[in-house]
Amino acid sequence: EPEVTQTPSHQVTQMGQEVILRCVPISNHLYFYWYRQILGQKVEFLVSFYNNEISEKSEIFDDQFSVERPDGSNFTLKIRSTKLEDSAMYFCASKVEQGNTIYFGEGSWLTVV
Amino acid sequence: QKEVEQDPGPLSVPEGAIVSLNCTYSNSAFQYFMWYRQYSRKGPELLMYTYSSGNKEDGRFTAQVDKSSKYISLFIRDSQPSDSATYLCAMSSTLENTDKLIFGTGTRLQVFP
Repeated sequence: EPEVTQTPSHQVTQMGQEVILRCVPISNHLYFYWYRQILGQKVEFLVSFYNNEISEKSEIFDDQFSVERPDGSNFTLKIRSTKLEDSAMYFCASKVEQGNTIYFGEGSWLTVV
Repeated sequence: QKEVEQDPGPLSVPEGAIVSLNCTYSNSAFQYFMWYRQYSRKGPELLMYTYSSGNKEDGRFTAQVDKSSKYISLFIRDSQPSDSATYLCAMSSTLENTDKLIFGTGTRLQVFP
C-alpha cells in the first residue's frame, strides 16, 4: 500500500540551528500538509500546499517556517532558527484531491536542546 | 468552547468488549469526519472517513455522525488487545475555503486480555 515517508525519524538540534524535515508524499497526490504534535497535546495544522504554493497556514507557521517542493517527489519543511518550543513530532500528510482523505506519514521527532 | 472535544480517557476494557468513542464539536460547517488510530510515537492511521451525517461500517468498526447534535462516534466490536492505541477524531470543512483537519485530543484505549 502506498505511504507517506518521512526523514529523519528523529533529530536532535541545538537552539538557533536550522532544520529541514523531508517528506515523500504518495505519488499521485496533489495536496500536501505539515502538522505537528507536541508531546501529550493534540495534532495541530501548520500549513497546506497545493499547485506549488501555500494555500493555507496557521498562526504557528510564522516567518521561521517555510515549505518547498523542490522536485516532483519531495516536500520539505524548514525551520530557520529553532526554539525550544519547536520540539514536537512533525507529520507530513497528503491527499489526492479536494474532499478526499488525508494520509499521514510516521512523523519526524524533533528535539531542540 | 473548544472546536472539537474528546474525552482523553484512558478507557480500559476487556477483550471482546464493545467500545464506544465519542467527540463533540461546535463548528456547524464541518462536513468531513474522520477517525484515526495512533500508536505511541507513530503517525495517525486513517480508520474511518464519513461525509456528512449517517453511519458507516467497516469490519469491526462503525462510525456514526449526528450533525444535528454535533456528535460523532466510533464503535469497535469484539475489541482486541491490538486495538490498544489512541483514537483521534478529526474533522474539516470546505465551506469556509479550508480543508485543514481539526483534531480532538485523542482517547487512549487499553484492551486487556
